[in-house]
Amino acid sequence: DAGVTQSPTHLIKTRGQQVTLRCSPKSGHDTVSWYQQALGQGPQFIFQYYEEEERQRGNFPDRFSGHQFPNYSSELNVNALLLGDSALYLCASSWQLAGNSYEQYFGPGTRLTVT
Amino acid sequence: GDSVTQMEGPVTLSEEAFLTINCTYTATGYPSLFWYVQYPGEGLQLLLKATKADDKGSNKGFEATYRKETTSFHLEKGSVQVSDSAVYFCALSDRGSWGKLQFGAGTQVVVTP
Repeated sequence: DAGVTQSPTHLIKTRGQQVTLRCSPKSGHDTVSWYQQALGQGPQFIFQYYEEEERQRGNFPDRFSGHQFPNYSSELNVNALLLGDSALYLCASSWQLAGNSYEQYFGPGTRLTVT
Repeated sequence: GDSVTQMEGPVTLSEEAFLTINCTYTATGYPSLFWYVQYPGEGLQLLLKATKADDKGSNKGFEATYRKETTSFHLEKGSVQVSDSAVYFCALSDRGSWGKLQFGAGTQVVVTP
């Protein structure tokens, strides 16, 4: 059973450009969340997708947008890149367990460098 | 809002030493608590979890007990190995938040032979 996969592994972009990151969830999972992890820090929640809609969002600007497809895979788009967007972007998938609890499984991440 | 505070690293230990990483949290409800581990160049792996007060999570020799009275979830291992060298993250997820995780800053652990 494949776990959560992300592509690409690494990406270098120039300030002002746009980027799209991709994520395929673990088999059987219907919810995808995205996190940003700056160097030396803990991951920060960007947003979560369920049933092809954004269900909740963290404190990130509208430059960050996403999409979920019918097969539950997801994309994260970032427009007008800033140097501060350089980070490891983590995708996590989950589904609802008993007792309304969830368990997030993380992918290996995409390392984005903005120059 | 919710928050998680971890002890700062790096924590440097010799092989077979006892490891403790302190974690305290602030939450309005009764969150689930987690420890994740991140090896160099990799994503996060769930190490253990606890969903209610007094629950003990355990995995691979690591343990942590959900202490509601002290709002803590300290991670312990009795005898560390070089392969335990990694960054450890404490996290919480509020009930009703569909699993959204709030992470601490992480604690780097370095185990030397």
